[in-house]
Amino acid sequence: GDSVTQTEGPVTLPERAALTLNCTYQSSYSTFLFWYVQYLNKEPELLLKSSENQETDSRGFQASPIKSDSSFHLEKPSVQLSDSAVYYCALRDRGGATNKLIFGTGTLLAVQP
Amino acid sequence: DARVTQTPRHKVTEMGQEVTMRCQPILGHNTVFWYRQTMMQGLELLAYFRNRAPLDDSGMPKDRFSAEMPDATLATLKIQPSEPRDSAVYFCASGLVLAGGLYNEQFFGPGTRLTVL
Repeated sequence: GDSVTQTEGPVTLPERAALTLNCTYQSSYSTFLFWYVQYLNKEPELLLKSSENQETDSRGFQASPIKSDSSFHLEKPSVQLSDSAVYYCALRDRGGATNKLIFGTGTLLAVQP
Repeated sequence: DARVTQTPRHKVTEMGQEVTMRCQPILGHNTVFWYRQTMMQGLELLAYFRNRAPLDDSGMPKDRFSAEMPDATLATLKIQPSEPRDSAVYFCASGLVLAGGLYNEQFFGPGTRLTVL
């Protein structure tokens, strides 16, 4: 079945460091991929969404689906303290004709001053 | 600014009591999802509906949990009887599935933080 695998956390970075959070997926269908971010004591919210071969950019974050290795890594050239959160990679399940999402386990990012 | 709303935001109850959580999806959305989040398990999908019909509730403990959508503006998740291991944050999310299966994101509500003593 479809699945998503993410970088194991926690990931700790100093301010202004470059960020890469890995996400790989398995799917039998055309893929629609998402990154959600969840700040402390808040609900998950959409950060990025992408279909195949389209790089997307939001709040300084970027992700580009690479079909050849089934990846959708999240990148940011310079992180800020306010980026500390849990990041979830998700895959939309096309098989059931719904927009059910298959979430990864999440990666906690802690940005330190 | 359309949002998913959930009530109550916090609930503390004693083991054995019934708990009802409510969700109002974004107007016009045709899919509703219930998730449970704990430190140990992360985000778990419990059940979801499309056009008010339950599509999948395989993630839900059937003996004590039930989910319904009595109308398009209300989804409910009930636990009866509640147990301490049900303590978690329960999120509702809604989305729109368009003709042709075009994707759209899910929008999460603020969650109900449940504590069962």
